[in-house]
Amino acid sequence: NAGVTQTPKFQVLKTGQSMTLQCAQDMNHEYMSWYRQDPGMGLRLIHYSVGAGITDQGEVPNGYNVSRSTTEDFPLRLLSAAPSQTSVYFCASSYSRGLRSPLHFGNGTRLTVT
Amino acid sequence: AQKITQTQPGMFVQEKEAVTLDCTYDTSDQSYGLFWYKQPSSGEMIFLIYQGSYDEQNATEGRYSLNFQKARKSANLVISASQLGDSAMYFCAMREGRGGGSQGNLIFGKGTKLSVKP
Repeated sequence: NAGVTQTPKFQVLKTGQSMTLQCAQDMNHEYMSWYRQDPGMGLRLIHYSVGAGITDQGEVPNGYNVSRSTTEDFPLRLLSAAPSQTSVYFCASSYSRGLRSPLHFGNGTRLTVT
Repeated sequence: AQKITQTQPGMFVQEKEAVTLDCTYDTSDQSYGLFWYKQPSSGEMIFLIYQGSYDEQNATEGRYSLNFQKARKSANLVISASQLGDSAMYFCAMREGRGGGSQGNLIFGKGTKLSVKP
């Protein structure tokens, strides 16, 4: 059972480049989300989706786009990379937004923007 | 204002001893859930334990237990009989009901780095 799969694991971008971080889950989870993790900041929510075709902004959405065309996939797009977007990115999913529903995380993508 | 506060950036504990990691939260919602995650140096996020606001008993999962004090809005993680493999970052997180400000999303604290000494 693969769970939540993120690719790539590492990426280096130059300022101004764009790229897409891929995320797929095989658990038929309704809810998916993207977080970024920076030292001393914990995990901050970028965007989330409560089902196919539905997305919404989290705490730090600027500079990122998402879409959810299928239940399984939730890609995160960086439109024009900036050094401030250097971070570790986690995709996570849960069965629902029910209180007891834990998030299942991918292994993360370490992104460096030079 | 922070919704989740973890006041201990780093902690040390001797192997085989118990350790308590602090977490306080802020919500006006009556319905919420509290989670603890472990992040070892390899980077993955591992779900450890859950406590619901209406749960009458403190949650336990193996060597992990949650000291839930609702009136104080605290949900401290207790790890008994620490092992070297417990060395990791630990994150406390909260999910409010959908009417809460966080829209049912999981909000994380900044984490506590636990180091277990042999």
